[in-house]
Amino acid sequence: ELKVEQNPLFLSMQEGKNYTIYCNYSTTSDRLYWYRQDPGKSLESLFVLLSNGAVKQEGRLMASLDTKARLSTLHITAAVHDLSATYFCAVDGPVASGSRLTFGEGTQLTVNP
Amino acid sequence: DTAVSQTPKYLVTQMGNDKSIKCEQNLGHDTMYWYKQDSKKFLKIMFSYNNKELIINETVPNRFSPKSPDKAHLNLHINSLELGDSAVYFCASSQGYKPLGQPQHFGDGTRLSIL
Repeated sequence: ELKVEQNPLFLSMQEGKNYTIYCNYSTTSDRLYWYRQDPGKSLESLFVLLSNGAVKQEGRLMASLDTKARLSTLHITAAVHDLSATYFCAVDGPVASGSRLTFGEGTQLTVNP
Repeated sequence: DTAVSQTPKYLVTQMGNDKSIKCEQNLGHDTMYWYKQDSKKFLKIMFSYNNKELIINETVPNRFSPKSPDKAHLNLHINSLELGDSAVYFCASSQGYKPLGQPQHFGDGTRLSIL
């Protein structure tokens, strides 16, 4: 059974600082997604990572994937308050079984002025 | 333009009742999903449909019955509601049921509270 673990689960940081969220998963996959959820809102797709070594960047966020280590990172550069949200990584299952996202527990990020 | 829309947004009802949640997507996708998000924000897949055909049925009580009248709609009917059913239910859609890298697009969720 695929398990996905994120850490930290809670992250409070100051504006302007850098930090990294980690996402480990238990079985082989090369399809990993990062989503953002604001309180009481839907999930917004941030990044799709589809191969070993994939790196995607959007604004102050950069995501990477190491399929050999079964690890993805979401790096935050010079955080701003608007980045406060819960961030989920999700890993897709084997092709034969149909798309089924297994989510991490989520990292609740609070950026303080 | 709402891509994936769910109704109702809030649903408050008593234990033992039967209720339905509706989902519609206008993205032209052929695969739709139901996820449950519990009070700790943990998200878990319940069902997926591709072109009205059930693809994934996780270990969900049979009180939950999905129905897809066409590929743009996926409804969820819940019988004999229990306290543990309180959660946020998200509908999502994507193109293709094989996990080939298409992100799933989520609705705004239906917040179900059982009294």
